[in-house]
Amino acid sequence: GAGVSQSPSNKVTEKGKDVELRCDPISGHTALYWYRQSLGQGLEFLIYFQGNSAPDKSGLPSDRFSAERTGGSVSTLTIQRTQQEDSAVYLCASSPHGGSGNTIYFGEGSWLTVV
Amino acid sequence: QKEVEQDPGPLSVPEGAIVSLNCTYSNSAFQYFMWYRQYSRKGPELLMYTYSSGNKEDGRFTAQVDKSSKYISLFIRDSQPSDSATYLCAVMWLMDSNYQLIWGAGTKLIIKP
Repeated sequence: GAGVSQSPSNKVTEKGKDVELRCDPISGHTALYWYRQSLGQGLEFLIYFQGNSAPDKSGLPSDRFSAERTGGSVSTLTIQRTQQEDSAVYLCASSPHGGSGNTIYFGEGSWLTVV
Repeated sequence: QKEVEQDPGPLSVPEGAIVSLNCTYSNSAFQYFMWYRQYSRKGPELLMYTYSSGNKEDGRFTAQVDKSSKYISLFIRDSQPSDSATYLCAVMWLMDSNYQLIWGAGTKLIIKP
């Protein structure tokens, strides 16, 4: 596709339920990032995938959060037993790898509300 | 001390004014410097990207990097209400064959008609 695609764009879920958020990166981009952004706040790094390397999971806030990337393309962020403090926009971004001048491109985000 | 510092604002200026947005950073290993614009309820979009000290101009926008002072700036000339958004700086560098990325907190800019 032309850009990073995320789904769902909006999700309202009950506390305690699991949610899955999907990211389709730009074709050919080997790097994929997940960020969380609470209202009026900056970007909080969650996880980073680069090609076939082991992902950098250092930003995941708890073991309720996990992410996978299948076939080096689509990624899914899963939040188990959601809590109200998980309410935020979850942004996915992708980037080409190699050489200088790499920049990252964001999707529109998945807006999660836990009630 | 955070590795990238950015004043969250909000910064409110009248239409037509020159806007100066700034970030400071602490690590001289940082190689690439970017500015993103984020409208409300949207994902950030790349505005400017540079890797060398000096100025880079694109229309009404000028990105400035001073590596000796570890200071990056974004100038907006003839500001418009449509420039009202949050502006995020980001720095990137190559470490162990992987690019590392750090973001500023973002500055909320309001252009008053």
